[in-house]
Order: sequence, then C-alpha cells, then structure tokens
Amino acid sequence: NAGVTQTPKFRILKIGQSMTLQCTQDMNHNYMYWYRQDPGMGLKLIYYSVGAGITDKGEVPNGYNVSRSTTEDFPLRLELAAPSQTSVYFCASIGTSGGYTQYFGPGTRLTVL
Amino acid sequence: GENVEQHPSTLSVQEGDSAVIKCTYSDSASNYFPWYKQELGKGPQLIIDIRSNVGEKKDQRIAVTLNKTAKHFSLHITETQPEDSAVYFCAASISGNQFYFGTGTSLTVIP
Repeated sequence: NAGVTQTPKFRILKIGQSMTLQCTQDMNHNYMYWYRQDPGMGLKLIYYSVGAGITDKGEVPNGYNVSRSTTEDFPLRLELAAPSQTSVYFCASIGTSGGYTQYFGPGTRLTVL
Repeated sequence: GENVEQHPSTLSVQEGDSAVIKCTYSDSASNYFPWYKQELGKGPQLIIDIRSNVGEKKDQRIAVTLNKTAKHFSLHITETQPEDSAVYFCAASISGNQFYFGTGTSLTVIP
C-alpha cells in the first residue's frame, strides 16, 4: 500500500490564482481530512469527509472547497489564492474499523506571492 | 469548539532522562486523545493514543495518562534517545469526527 499520497510537493502561486491539491489513499478508508500547518503552529482542520459524497467544514474552511466523489480521492480546491493561504497542507485518513489512527500524507508546501 | 493547549513549546533533556509534555482540552465530549511525532519535512505520525475510558496506556518507553475530571492528558517518554528529537503534538477528538491539535512541543535530546 502506498498509504496517503499528495501532489504536488511544492507550489508557488500568484495572488488570485487557483489550484487543486490532490490527495489519494489506497487503504479503503472512509474518513479523510485536510489540514493546514502554519510555521510553529499545530494543525488546523480545513474540511473533512466521513465518506464519498459527504463533506463538512472544519475550523478554517474559508477560501477552500472540497469534493469527495470516490472513497480514494479528496481534492482541496483553492480559489483566488491569498498570501494568508501560504502554509503546508496535509491530508489524512482514518479507517473506522478498530480505531481512529490517522495516517498522514507527506504534505504540500504552498507559497502565495 | 474544542480548545487544546499544549506545554511546554520547547523542551531540552539529556539523553537518558525523561520528558513530559502536557495538554489540556475544553470539551468534555472529547473521547479520543492521540499523540503525534513530526520529523522535519514529514507528516505527523501517531505514536500513542488513549480513549476516555482508560486512565493510562504504555508502549515501551512511551506512556500517556488521562485525567478526565481535570481535562488534561500527558505524554511521558522515558530513557530518551537522540532519535526522539522531533516536534510532538497532542490532539483531541470526538470519535474521529474532528481533530483539534495543540501547538506542538519541540523536543531536543542532548547526547
């Protein structure tokens, strides 16, 4: 199993541009999450999904959108990028049989200039 | 929503000594408390967790304690080694629906 994969690893955007951060898991996990991590800070939940077709806002959803059309994929969309969205983005997933262990992807480092 | 506070923000210990990191949470409905280790340039990795129906859990050199009444939980690392140096995060969750993270503790183990 590859686990949780994220693409791209790095990206520089100009203010006002848009992009999609990709996240895929091959563990057949129902729950998936998007977090952002600012320097020296903990992770803040942006959006999460408990299954295909179901998404919910987390603590910091403004400026982002998600979709969950399949169990495997949970893309995060940034519209009209702003410097405040400069951060490292992590995707994670949980299988609901037997525990709440979160498996994290390697992260995407995004800079908005 | 839930508020998780973590202390200290930095911690330096001599190799072989113990390290303790403490977290408090605000929502009494939280029932799952994981601890993650994050190495530079990588995603967090679960090292130990505890559920609200348990007061203590141990896994080799790592242990976690939970005091539900006081709403705090702690990570204990004994016989620290240089490879324990990393950033550690606590978190609180209600049954895996949303996770609220502390701000992290940068642990340095001095050889």
